[in-house]
Amino acid sequence: AQSVTQLGSHVSVSEGALVLLRCNYSSSVPPYLFWYVQYPNQGLQLLLKYTSAATLVKGINGFEAEFKKSETSFHLTKPSAHMSDAAEYFCAVSDLPPSSNDYKLSFGAGTTVTVRA
Amino acid sequence: DTAVSQTPKYLVTQMGNDKSIKCEQNLGHDTMYWYKQDSKKFLKIMFSYNNKELIINETVPNRFSPKSPDKAHLNLHINSLELGDSAVYFCASSAWELPYEQYFGPGTRLTVT
Repeated sequence: AQSVTQLGSHVSVSEGALVLLRCNYSSSVPPYLFWYVQYPNQGLQLLLKYTSAATLVKGINGFEAEFKKSETSFHLTKPSAHMSDAAEYFCAVSDLPPSSNDYKLSFGAGTTVTVRA
Repeated sequence: DTAVSQTPKYLVTQMGNDKSIKCEQNLGHDTMYWYKQDSKKFLKIMFSYNNKELIINETVPNRFSPKSPDKAHLNLHINSLELGDSAVYFCASSAWELPYEQYFGPGTRLTVT
């Protein structure tokens, strides 16, 4: 069964500092992993995804994540935080490829990022 | 040009009422979903449809009935609303090929009083 744990429900960083959001997954097979961002009162937007290609994945807005099978982790980083990065971030996992009938995403509980000026 | 749209954006109603939320996608995707986001921001899938056929039903009370008149639309009807139904409901869609991205609608905030 697939599941995701996001460590830290709230992260506060200074503008210009490193952003690190932690995600650990549980999956019985090689997973498909995603990071989504949700700005206030908006829907979710895909930041990046891992689908068994390169283990270091680059996404939008300067974010990247590294898939580490040995650690069952998919942590999200951004070298330099910007005020506009303040949002809710969700890690998600699927055991199955999206072409599968039973494909569904399981989301972590989310991490709220605040950026201090 | 909105990819996934939902109406209404806000819905305030009383317990016991019946309400519907509509969702439309103009991306040509085959699969559509309904998610529920509770007050703690936890997101959980409720249903998925592929080409108008129900694929996933995640033990949602049968007061919730999704309907897909065509593959571009997936509506959610809720009977006998309860206080616990208060949440934000998101519609999403995806294609069965790369890049496997689920596109989300803006959400419908349902408040049951």
